[in-house]
Amino acid sequence: ILNVEQSPQSLHVQEGDSTNFTCSFPSSNFYALHWYRWETAKSPEALFVMTLNGDEKKKGRISATLNTKEGYSYLYIKGSQPEDSATYLCAQNSGGSNYKLTFGKGTLLTVNP
Amino acid sequence: KAGVTQTPRYLIKTRGQQVTLSCSPISGHRSVSWYQQTPGQGLQFLFEYFSETQRNKGNFPGRFSGRQFSNSRSEMNVSTLELGDSALYLCASSSQGARRKNIQYFGAGTRLSVL
Repeated sequence: ILNVEQSPQSLHVQEGDSTNFTCSFPSSNFYALHWYRWETAKSPEALFVMTLNGDEKKKGRISATLNTKEGYSYLYIKGSQPEDSATYLCAQNSGGSNYKLTFGKGTLLTVNP
Repeated sequence: KAGVTQTPRYLIKTRGQQVTLSCSPISGHRSVSWYQQTPGQGLQFLFEYFSETQRNKGNFPGRFSGRQFSNSRSEMNVSTLELGDSALYLCASSSQGARRKNIQYFGAGTRLSVL
């Protein structure tokens, strides 16, 4: 993996469904993995920042896990609600003097009532 | 606490013109990063400033430049605009930049259309 990749590109679920997305990233020079939620016409909002292999974070119905050895992170949403509809972005910071985030293209989630 | 403010929100320019976008970070934040988003692409990193110094630059032509002032406000300039520069430009501020657990807080963006 050379870049940050997210799958699926888009997802339609029914209200109440649980869902998950994948973020794959280069496992070398790993520093931190960020998840953002971006609603239409709003600013991207940080959900989680994870740095250690095996990290698990939770915020309400949303949780995330991190595997730095194999280079992936999962974002889970339990009992999706229409207000969860947004684009979910992951971004990697590969550290060193590299003061930047490399973003994936995002997963667009639509939750139908 | 006020969030990240970007001005203007929308801008229409013609090819060959230049444009300046402004970003006011959250009070106390010294790092400002700029990103470009075009259709079908993820957020592409442009550059990052910390205490008036550019610390990192993305793979963009020299037509894209920026600066940061002593109050941490930042401006981004694009000269000789091309049609492909039409995009949403986002800035993000943080206390230390994209290091470890430092969260970046984004503005709402400036939508630039080049005709």
